[in-house]
Amino acid sequence: EDQVTQSPEALRLQEGESSSLNCSYTVSGLRGLFWYRQDPGKGPEFLFTLYSAGEEKEKERLKATLTKKESFLHITAPKPEDSATYLCAATNAGNNRKLIWGLGTSLAVNP
Amino acid sequence: DGGITQSPKYLFRKEGQNVTLSCEQNLNHDAMYWYRQDPGQGLRLIYYSQIVNDFQKGDIAEGYSVSREKKESFPLTVTSAQKNPTAFYLCASSITGTDTQYFGPGTRLTVL
Repeated sequence: EDQVTQSPEALRLQEGESSSLNCSYTVSGLRGLFWYRQDPGKGPEFLFTLYSAGEEKEKERLKATLTKKESFLHITAPKPEDSATYLCAATNAGNNRKLIWGLGTSLAVNP
Repeated sequence: DGGITQSPKYLFRKEGQNVTLSCEQNLNHDAMYWYRQDPGQGLRLIYYSQIVNDFQKGDIAEGYSVSREKKESFPLTVTSAQKNPTAFYLCASSITGTDTQYFGPGTRLTVL
């Protein structure tokens, strides 16, 4: 069964303390790996799509990377406004284009 | 500005009543989706539609119904048959042929 697992469940950082969030996947024929940011009470905001192992994408303090088994979301010198839940999802080689979701990592950045 | 709107933001319902959640998009996307989000659980797909006048059940369709009469609109009805309807409901859309979904702001439904 296709599955996406995120770790840790929660992470607390000091402002400026870089770290990484993990998304491991077991998906038959990965077609895409997606990262979203979700603030409390709001809809997820799209961040990145990765398609093949070795691919990297960056946006401000965030960088997403992809291997054949997992994806990392690296946060460099985080600020309090980076506090949010980060969601990972994947699509497989089937034709239904349904996203398989992880449970998310709740990130808190203290000033 | 292009985007997805959901209304209302908060909705209260008495047990036994049906309620309809609105989702409108002006992104010219063909595909639209409804998810349910509960604390401690991942997003779960309720229904999706890849083209007007056609839709498919997701993983938890029981107790819900949808229609897709216009490309821009994909309303979700939560019926009295839904046993535990209190949740945060999210609507999303995507361009046909791509998997990236864009989300609306959500509707929080509370059954009293």
